[in-house]
Amino acid sequence: GIQVEQSPPDLILQEGANSTLRCNFSDSVNNLQWFHQNPWGQLINLFYIPSGTKQNGRLSATTVATERYSLLYISSSQTTDSGVYFCAVFRETSGSRLTFGEGTQLTVNP
Amino acid sequence: NAGVMQNPRHLVRRRGQEARLRCSPMKGHSHVYWYRQLPEEGLKFMVYLQKENIIDESGMPKERFSAEFPKEGPSILRIQQVVRGDSAAYFCASSTQRDRTFGSGTRLTVV
Repeated sequence: GIQVEQSPPDLILQEGANSTLRCNFSDSVNNLQWFHQNPWGQLINLFYIPSGTKQNGRLSATTVATERYSLLYISSSQTTDSGVYFCAVFRETSGSRLTFGEGTQLTVNP
Repeated sequence: NAGVMQNPRHLVRRRGQEARLRCSPMKGHSHVYWYRQLPEEGLKFMVYLQKENIIDESGMPKERFSAEFPKEGPSILRIQQVVRGDSAAYFCASSTQRDRTFGSGTRLTVV
């Protein structure tokens, strides 16, 4: 099946810093989503981005489908950004499942 | 729109008991997916259902686990004779054809 690798596995920032999270995938995909799992365990849908660039406030994401990677940018980080960021991909020929990466654990210190 | 609703949020069961986890999809969504998240890991696909049909159960253990999505009512993930290794967060997602929206999960603890 398709492999999804996220980097870095852990990231510690000071409030106000910027960061880039990376997601590499092993095959072409029909769908890619970024999620934020907050410290309470809730899974928040950040972006649906199979290709191109999207922005939502301090967050933006870019997927380069031909090179099989996606980037999530967090600018002016806040303590509430802490949690785990997951990338998940969907490939029609692999059935209906989303395949998740192992996540990036982000800690933003005040 | 209340989003994807899962209950209970937390469930504690003794070894050998049954666990029933419920998921109500978003209004208008007819596709339901169940995922399991073991501690410190990503989410792993278990099963995909549409109303009254199991479409893909390739990620679900063959024994003790079952899922249904009846014509009326929520989708149910049922775990019989739970063991400590079943302790995990179980997430449900629903969709139309595109992106998935996840519920807040049920955290199952087997003692």
